[in-house]
Amino acid sequence: GEQVEQLPSILRVQERSSASINCTYENSASNYFPWYKQEPGENPKLIIDIRSNMERKQIQGLIVLLDKKAKRFSLHITDTQPADSAMYFCAARTGGADRLTFGKGTQLIIQP
Amino acid sequence: GALVYQYPRRTICKSGTSMRMECQAVGFQATSVAWYRQSPQKTFELIALSTVNSAIKYEQNFTQEKFPISHPNLSFSSMTVLNAYLEDRGLYLCGARQVLNSDYTFGSGTRLLVI
Repeated sequence: GEQVEQLPSILRVQERSSASINCTYENSASNYFPWYKQEPGENPKLIIDIRSNMERKQIQGLIVLLDKKAKRFSLHITDTQPADSAMYFCAARTGGADRLTFGKGTQLIIQP
Repeated sequence: GALVYQYPRRTICKSGTSMRMECQAVGFQATSVAWYRQSPQKTFELIALSTVNSAIKYEQNFTQEKFPISHPNLSFSSMTVLNAYLEDRGLYLCGARQVLNSDYTFGSGTRLLVI
C-alpha cells in the first residue's frame, strides 16, 4: 500500500508571498504525484502533477518538486492571490496499481 | 476531452434509507472506476476499485454489502449507499480512467447529507 503525509494542515500567508505545502510518501514504487485544489462545496480539481522521471515542474505560478531519495514532494505557489485560498491535496500513485492515495489536505488562507 | 458526469450533485436521505449515485464517462472508455469518500474534515478514502470484466476490490472498512457498485460497461458506473447513517455523510467522488497508469478524471462529486 501507500501512506501519504501532508503538512501543514493549515497555512496562512500574506497576499503576494509564497506558499509551500509538503508531502511525504512511503512506497518507493510510487511514480505519479498529482496535486488537487478543492474549493468549498466543490470536487477536487487537478492543478499540477509530476512523474517520477522529473524533479521539477512549473506551470505559471505553481511549482512542484520531487525528491525521490527522500520520498518527498512539494507544491509551491508563488505570488499568491486571494483566489488561491482553498484546500489543497497531494496524492501518490504506486506504479502498477490503480490506487491514488491522498494526503489529509492543507487549508491555504491568503490574507490581504 | 475526457469528462466524467456524476449525479446527483447533492442529495439528502433519511437515516436508514439508501441512495444511488451514478457516473458517466464521456470521450473515453472508463476501464477502471475508483470511488472515494471525503467525510467532513477528512481526506479522500478509497472505497473500491472497479475494472470492467473483473471483480470489484473493496478497501478495508468498506464492503459490497454496504456500498454495492455496478460497472456494466465502459461508460457507466454506479454506487449505492445502503442503509445510510450519519457517518456516511460526505462527498462521494468517482474517478475514471482508460488505461493503467493514466490520470484519473474525476466527476463533480455527490454530496450526501443524512438526516
